[in-house]
Amino acid sequence: TQLLEQSPQFLSIQEGENLTVYCNSSSVFSSLQWYRQEPGEGPVLLVTVVTGGEVKKLKRLTFQFGDARKDSSLHITAAQPGDTGLYLCAGARGSNYKLTFGKGTLLTVNP
Amino acid sequence: NAGVTQTPKFQVLKTGQSMTLQCAQDMNHEYMSWYRQDPGMGLRLIHYSVGAGITDQGEVPNGYNVSRSTTEDFPLRLLSAAPSQTSVYFCASSGLFELTDTQYFGPGTRLTVL
Repeated sequence: TQLLEQSPQFLSIQEGENLTVYCNSSSVFSSLQWYRQEPGEGPVLLVTVVTGGEVKKLKRLTFQFGDARKDSSLHITAAQPGDTGLYLCAGARGSNYKLTFGKGTLLTVNP
Repeated sequence: NAGVTQTPKFQVLKTGQSMTLQCAQDMNHEYMSWYRQDPGMGLRLIHYSVGAGITDQGEVPNGYNVSRSTTEDFPLRLLSAAPSQTSVYFCASSGLFELTDTQYFGPGTRLTVL
């Protein structure tokens, strides 16, 4: 059973377009993290959200945690080729020790 | 400050062989963990540790052993390699007490079991 469902699984867009990636669950999480992973490298943390309804912005990236803390979204404005990568969401229930990862969204931004 | 380092980068084993994947961090982090990443599966937690001398199982622990004799090192041992253990293995570390602690990942070890 996959606790965190990410959609879409694959996304190919043109430079300058906007996009949204979703991370959904039937479980409540105490915190949710978004990572970006490039080929041949480990994931790199982008943001952590901990409060229901929380919105965080990181330049052109906007992250939102659902009011019920069961889902999250990542919105990218005016995507650039440098945004290409695998985007992973990961949730923690209780302590932050044991993260559950979604399967990821593979984003390709074409110039 | 090297962060999280993993060796080797690549490894090919034959079925039944044993080996140890090395992981070290220089950030004095209490929490360390091992994940495996398979195509279409995301990252799955194998084992984790919240401090020297303390380890616990994650989601997929079978076939793997760990130990934590020092804060810095957290090796992962494959006792008798099987083709199902072909994967990319990532080690990670973080602080222990805050929900917002950043988890730092190593560059990964790509393991092939023939």
